Amino acid sequence: KNQVEQSPQSLIILEGKNCTLQCNYTVSPFSNLRWYKQDTGRGPVSLTIMTFSENTKSNGRYTATLDADTKQSSLHITASQLSDSASYICVVSAKTGANNLFFGTGTRLTVIP
Amino acid sequence: GAVVSQHPSWVICKSGTSVKIECRSLDFQATTMFWYRQFPKQSLMLMATSNEGSKATYEQGVEKDKFLINHASLTLSTLTVTSAHPEDSSFYICSARMGETQYFGPGTRLLVL
Repeated sequence: KNQVEQSPQSLIILEGKNCTLQCNYTVSPFSNLRWYKQDTGRGPVSLTIMTFSENTKSNGRYTATLDADTKQSSLHITASQLSDSASYICVVSAKTGANNLFFGTGTRLTVIP
Repeated sequence: GAVVSQHPSWVICKSGTSVKIECRSLDFQATTMFWYRQFPKQSLMLMATSNEGSKATYEQGVEKDKFLINHASLTLSTLTVTSAHPEDSSFYICSARMGETQYFGPGTRLLVL
C-alpha cells in the first residue's frame, strides 16, 4: 500500500532555531518527492523536489534530503523565522497511475518569538 | 513559476444552494486538473481528476452528482457543489499539472450554514 507518513505531527520552536521534519514513504515505483509549505487558509507551495538520484537539495534556508534506499526524507529549516509557521507536507509521486500523488498528513510548525 | 488561481477565495452559502468554484491556470495550459478537499488539521484528499474535454474521474466515495466538474478549456476547470449541506464545509483546493509538477491554487474556503 502506498503511504506517506510524517513526523512530528506538530512542532513548536523558538525563532532563530533550527528544526528537522521527517517523511517516510512506501510509494512504489518511486518517481519523486516534494516538500510543500502550506500557510493557513492557502494552497501548498512547492519548496523542493527530489528525484531518485538526488540526496540533498537546498532552497534558501530549507534543505531537503532523500535516502531512496530507506525511503526516508527530511526537511531541515535553518535559522527559523516567524513566517516559517505553517504546515509542511511531504508528497511522493509514483511513476504510474493517473492519480500518482501520495500526501503525508503534514507537520504543523509554529515558530514563536 | 506557473500560477493557478481559484475564485472565489471564500464563500458562505445557505444549506441547499449550489456553489461554483473556478480553477484557472493563468500562464500555461493544463489538460489535467485535480480537485482536493482539506478538513482542518488534515492533509489534502483527492476528490477527482478533471480532464479537458472529457468526463472527470472521481475517487471512491465522492459523489459525482453532488460534485459536478467541468473542464471546458485548457485553462479552466469548475467544481460545483450542488445542494450544499453543512458537512460540505471545507477547504477546496485545485491543482494543475504542467509536465511532472502539480501547481496548487490558493484554495477556496466554503462554509455552508
